Amino acid sequence: DQQVKQNSPSLSVQEGRISILNCDYTNSMFDYFLWYKKYPAEGPTFLISISSIKDKNEDGRFTVFLNKSAKHLSLHIVPSQPGDSAVYFCAARRSGNTGKLIFGQGTTLQVKP
Amino acid sequence: GAVVSQHPSRVICKSGTSVKIECRSLDFQATTMFWYRQFPKQSLMLMATSNEGSKATYEQGVEKDKFLINHASLTLSTLTVTSAHPEDSSFYICSARAGSATRETQYFGPGTRLLVL
Repeated sequence: DQQVKQNSPSLSVQEGRISILNCDYTNSMFDYFLWYKKYPAEGPTFLISISSIKDKNEDGRFTVFLNKSAKHLSLHIVPSQPGDSAVYFCAARRSGNTGKLIFGQGTTLQVKP
Repeated sequence: GAVVSQHPSRVICKSGTSVKIECRSLDFQATTMFWYRQFPKQSLMLMATSNEGSKATYEQGVEKDKFLINHASLTLSTLTVTSAHPEDSSFYICSARAGSATRETQYFGPGTRLLVL
């Protein structure tokens, strides 16, 4: 039962353009969402998060949008840079105190110079 | 951001031996740490939640007698893979929980590549 889904395994964009990574979830009990960036053979690096009480959070080139009614979130990177090339995971946390995160399958982003 | 370290970064062992992996939060205290494993081109799968001073909580399908977790202090959790077999070969990643209830996040270690021959 895949509660967090990233349906696009890969995405390729040109440097300077916008990258949009999508994530869907099924559990309405999720109240906090995070995006992580991961390079091969390294641990994930936290990028940005959003609480379910918000619909947008922005940090520099990264913006996360949350559409609760559609159970959908997206990460926008603009402008995209070659160094952004990595695997991006979205993760969701269920309300409560356990702190457990459920991860999507990941989307590999390639930014071409 | 907060720093989490893992040691060793890579280990090769013979089948039947045990391997211990350490996870440390370097600049903050973590009452809760998490252990994940990742197979090639797959997502991170949560194995267990490590709670300081109490027993770990294992996810369904994870053998607690095979993957021993000890959270001895607020900055250290260890995962011991007992009697390792080739199918245990994987990338093991820990994370430590930090922040407030509304701005909480998990900070991940760099991972440990385990290869069982």
